[in-house]
Amino acid sequence: GIQVEQSPPDLILQEGANSTLRCNFSDSVNNLQWFHQNPWGQLINLFYIPSGTKQNGRLSATTVATERYSLLYISSSQTTDSGVYFCAVERGSGNEKLTFGTGTRLTIIP
Amino acid sequence: SAVISQKPSRDICQRGTSLTIQCQVDSQVTMMFWYRQQPGQSLTLIATANQGSEATYESGFVIDKFPISRPNLTFSTLTVSNMSPEDSSIYLCSGRTGFDTEAFFGQGTRLTVV
Repeated sequence: GIQVEQSPPDLILQEGANSTLRCNFSDSVNNLQWFHQNPWGQLINLFYIPSGTKQNGRLSATTVATERYSLLYISSSQTTDSGVYFCAVERGSGNEKLTFGTGTRLTIIP
Repeated sequence: SAVISQKPSRDICQRGTSLTIQCQVDSQVTMMFWYRQQPGQSLTLIATANQGSEATYESGFVIDKFPISRPNLTFSTLTVSNMSPEDSSIYLCSGRTGFDTEAFFGQGTRLTVV
C-alpha cells in the first residue's frame, strides 16, 4: 500500500515562531488533506489540497503532486496550535479510503 | 461540512466486556468509516460502514471483534467486543459526502480497558 511519512516527528517552538511541516507520499494520489488533532483527541480538517496552494489565516498549505509531497506552514505560532498534525491521502480510482501519515507533534511554549 | 456527534467521549471498561460507540451525523453522508488510534500512533482504518449491508473490514480487523452497524445514512455504531488492555485506544468515526470530498470526524472515544 501507499506509504505516507511526515517530518519532523516532533517540534517544539516558542510562541510567535514559524514552522514548516512536511508530508511525503510514495505513490500518486487523488487528494490530500491536513488535519489538526487537539489535546482532547478531536481531528479538525485544516485543508483539502490535492494540488496547489491554499491559505487560511496563519496557516497555509502547498501540495506538489508530481513530486509527491505537501507542506503545511504555520506562522506566528500560538499555544493553541499545539497538538498533532496529520496529512492523509486518497488513492482515487473509486478507493475513497484515507491513509494517514505518521504525524508531527507540535508543542508551542509560551 | 457536516457535524458528527460521537458518544461516549471516554470510558473505562473491564476486560472481557464489550462497549458500543455511536455516531450520529446531522445530515446524510454517503460514506462512514471507523478508525482506531493506539497511544502515540497514527490513525488506522478499521472498516467502512456500509448502509444496509455488512461493513468492509481492513486487513487485521474482523467482524467478530468489531461488529459495525449502519442502519441509515446518518447513524453508525462500532462495538469493541471481549475487550483486553490492548484495545485501549481512541476510536473515531468519520464521514464523507462523496469521493474526492473532505473528511470530517466525530470527537473520538477514548477507551481504557483495565
